Amino acid sequence: QVQLVQSGAEVKKPGASVKVSCKASGYSFTSYGISWVRQAPGQGLEWMGWISPYNGNTNYAQKLQGRVTMTTDTSTTTAYMELRSLRSDDTAVYYCAASDTVMAAMDYWGQGSLVTVSS
Amino acid sequence: SYELTQPPSVSVSPGQTARITCSGDALPKQYAYWYQQKPGQAPVLVIYKDTERPSGIPGRFSGSTSGTTVTLTISGVQAEDEADYYCQSSDSSGTYPEVIFGGGTKLTVL
Repeated sequence: QVQLVQSGAEVKKPGASVKVSCKASGYSFTSYGISWVRQAPGQGLEWMGWISPYNGNTNYAQKLQGRVTMTTDTSTTTAYMELRSLRSDDTAVYYCAASDTVMAAMDYWGQGSLVTVSS
Repeated sequence: SYELTQPPSVSVSPGQTARITCSGDALPKQYAYWYQQKPGQAPVLVIYKDTERPSGIPGRFSGSTSGTTVTLTISGVQAEDEADYYCQSSDSSGTYPEVIFGGGTKLTVL
C-alpha cells in the first residue's frame, strides 16, 4: 500500500533552516508528484508547493518563493522540503502528499512533521 | 488574490444531512476537492474532481457543483463524521498555478 513516512519533530531558532524528509513506498515514485502543505496550530491548510520526481519540475507558492526549496532523491524514493530564514509564524505541522499534478487531488498523505520555531 | 470561502461551522444531529459549501470565482473552471481532517491526524481525500468519491470512502459522502459554489453533502451523518472539512481548488490566473484551500468548516454532530 502507498505510504509516505516523514521525519520527526524539529525545534529551530529564528533565522535557521529546516529540512523535512518524506520517504515514499508502495508505488512508482516517479509516477506521482509530491505536494507540501503546512498547518499552523489551530489554523487551516496552506499549500507550499509541488515537485515532480520524474523531472524535478517545481511549483512554489508565491508567498514562499525564495525561502523554500523542494527536491527529490529517486534512488531512495525520498522527497525533501527545505525552508530557510525561519520565523515564529513558520511554526506548523508540515505534510507531504502524493498528487498526480500540481493542481490535482492529494491522494495520500504523510503523518506530518512538527516544526517549532522559537528562540 | 483568489480565495475559497467556507462557513466556519456546521452542526447537525446524527442521521441528518450535512451540507458544507465552498465558494470561489474560478470554481466553474477548476476542479474542487474535499478533505476530512480529524484532530491530530492528516487530512483524508473524500471527494475529487467535484463529484467523484475515492475507493474506501463511504457512499454517504457526495459532491456537487453549481456555478461558483461546490457542496460536500454527508447523508445520514454519523458521530465519526465529526471533523474539519477543507475544499481545495487552484488559481491558474498567474504565471504559475497555485493551489488554494478554503478556510475549513468544523462539522459538529450534536
